[in-house]
Formats: sequence, structure tokens, C-alpha cells
Amino acid sequence: DTAVSQTPKYLVTQMGNDKSIKCEQNLGHDTMYWYKQDSKKFLKIMFSYNNKELIINETVPNRFSPKSPDKAHLNLHINSLELGDSAVYFCASSPIGGWSGVLYNEQFFGPGTRLTVL
Amino acid sequence: DAKTTQPTSMDCAEGRAANLPCNHSTISGNEYVYWYRQIHSQGPQYIIHGLKNNETNEMASLIITEDRKSSTLILPHATLRDTAVYYCIAAANAGGTSYGKLTFGQGTILTVHP
Repeated sequence: DTAVSQTPKYLVTQMGNDKSIKCEQNLGHDTMYWYKQDSKKFLKIMFSYNNKELIINETVPNRFSPKSPDKAHLNLHINSLELGDSAVYFCASSPIGGWSGVLYNEQFFGPGTRLTVL
Repeated sequence: DAKTTQPTSMDCAEGRAANLPCNHSTISGNEYVYWYRQIHSQGPQYIIHGLKNNETNEMASLIITEDRKSSTLILPHATLRDTAVYYCIAAANAGGTSYGKLTFGQGTILTVHP
């Protein structure tokens, strides 16, 4: 059983397009994240949701909009794609916080979505 | 979150112990020390975490100095599959405003040789 899944695995698109990446976790966790890993391999957090509520929102262009329809899903929609958006995007989930009472942050990552903007 | 400092790269022979150091001299009392690793083309993988005491699990051991200013991750019998980037992170617990946010640095590239 896949714990954290992302679709699609690869996404190639033209500049200016709008695209979405989906993430689902079946671990029953309260908290989910989106990370971006650029060509230099830096892994940066973008957003975090706890029980469908936005709790971390880093300095990310507002072309990026996360949506959490329920606590098992956190989707990432990107408008007006730019060349610099090319990266690998990772979704993760964690039992931290919320009703779980867990204080430490053991995150489970998805396999990543490689986005290439042409 | 406290800044961490790790060597850029390390080598280890297969079957030997790999000892990966991390400096976190500005760590505060409510910050855990976490270790994650990222094998090529995969998502990061949690290894272990600790607050004050040494910890051991099926993957590794974590030794934290008494003053908590540094730690060492030990892979007791490294295999070729342990070749990866290892990240040491100091992060607050869920009670703070950062909500346990993990900030990944450059990490240590560990190469295990046959």
C-alpha cells in the first residue's frame, strides 16, 4: 500500500499554462506539506496544512495555490507556469500536531512530481 | 530553527560503520534533532530523531552530546543502498509557531564503497 502518492509523476508543459499536482495520504495523518526541490537540489517547504487549515505559507508566488479538500488530500495548483517553476515537487504528511498530540515531525514523503516547463 | 552544519561529503566502506556528524550549537531547548536521508531520485526518508537522550532504531543510532550542541548519526553496518544525502535538522516541536517546520540544508553526501 502506498502511503503518500502523487500524480502525475512527470509533467511537461508550456510556459503560461495552468497545471495541478495531486497528493493523497492513507496514513491518517493530520498534517500535509508541499516542498520544491530545484536543480541545485535544495529542498524548500512551500505550504503546510493541518486538518485542512493552512498553517505554513512560505514566500511563494501567489500563482501557487494549495487546496485541501479533506485531510487526506493536498493538491497544488499552479497558474501561468514559468521556466523557473521547473523542479521536483514533493508532497509529505506527518502525524504532528492537531488532535494527534504528536509533537515531533516524522514526515513521510511521496515519490515526487518532476515538472518541466518549456 | 537552529542552523545546522554538516560536512559536504563523506565516504565509507561497505560493512563498516558510517558516522555522520552535525553541529547545532544554537539549538534551543524545545528543538528536536532530526535526521532524514534522500536516496537519488526519491523522496526524503525519515531516519531518527532525538531531544536529549541517545536514540536507536532499526535504521540507525543517534548520539547527542550532553550540551546538545552536536550530534552524530551512526549507520552501524553501511551498505551500498545507504548511499544518499543525509540531512541533519534542528526543529521545534509542534507547540511552537513554526509547527515543527523542517528546514533542509545541503546535507552530507554519503558514498558507500564496495
